[in-house]
Amino acid sequence: NAGVTQTPKFQVLKTGQSMTLQCAQDMNHNSMYWYRQDPGMGLRLIYYSASEGTTDKGEVPNGYNVSRLNKREFSLRLESAAPSQTSVYFCASTTGYRDYGYTFGSGTRLTVV
Amino acid sequence: DQQVKQNSPSLSVQEGRISILNCDYTNSMFDYFLWYKKYPAEGPTFLISISSIKDKNEDGRFTVFLNKSAKHLSLHIVPSQPGDSAVYFCAAKTGGGNKLTFGTGTQLKVEL
Repeated sequence: NAGVTQTPKFQVLKTGQSMTLQCAQDMNHNSMYWYRQDPGMGLRLIYYSASEGTTDKGEVPNGYNVSRLNKREFSLRLESAAPSQTSVYFCASTTGYRDYGYTFGSGTRLTVV
Repeated sequence: DQQVKQNSPSLSVQEGRISILNCDYTNSMFDYFLWYKKYPAEGPTFLISISSIKDKNEDGRFTVFLNKSAKHLSLHIVPSQPGDSAVYFCAAKTGGGNKLTFGTGTQLKVEL
């Protein structure tokens, strides 16, 4: 099925460990995004890639890095995980045309202990 | 600074009645607004949108109203169905790009 695929779905990390969250879309979308969802905070933008080859910081980029590997894939890396990064992470993509909105993946639930 | 606010964390309505979800914003540069629906363990899905040049947009049971002077928008669901029970996020973006700013969400529960 066409859409946005995120891996893994669940992950538990120890403080200080690193990991990469993977995201891939097969809709030929230009723009990709990483959001985190926390209780009472809604969805907050971490990083985004407006087009292949570009990345920019969002609202809460500290502690994260991203790579737009190609047009399909956009990964999010936690170099040294902290308990404050416990969250649900969503990847999204869009054509860039205003009327279409975003297509979201099903999320990665990350717990840092 | 929360630029998009959903002041009601939860809302409960009876099946068949109208559900009204509210959203306020502070950034006057926002010119496009969207509503997303989210079920547990799933990603948000796009529901309906409205441009700032309009004051109403309708799609089946869902209608979004925009009051620019009050910086307020609302989503009306008529009639409400149990399958509408979900978290609803309001989102907004400026004309210069595709980044969305989301509200904190409202949990809607439609009771039988």
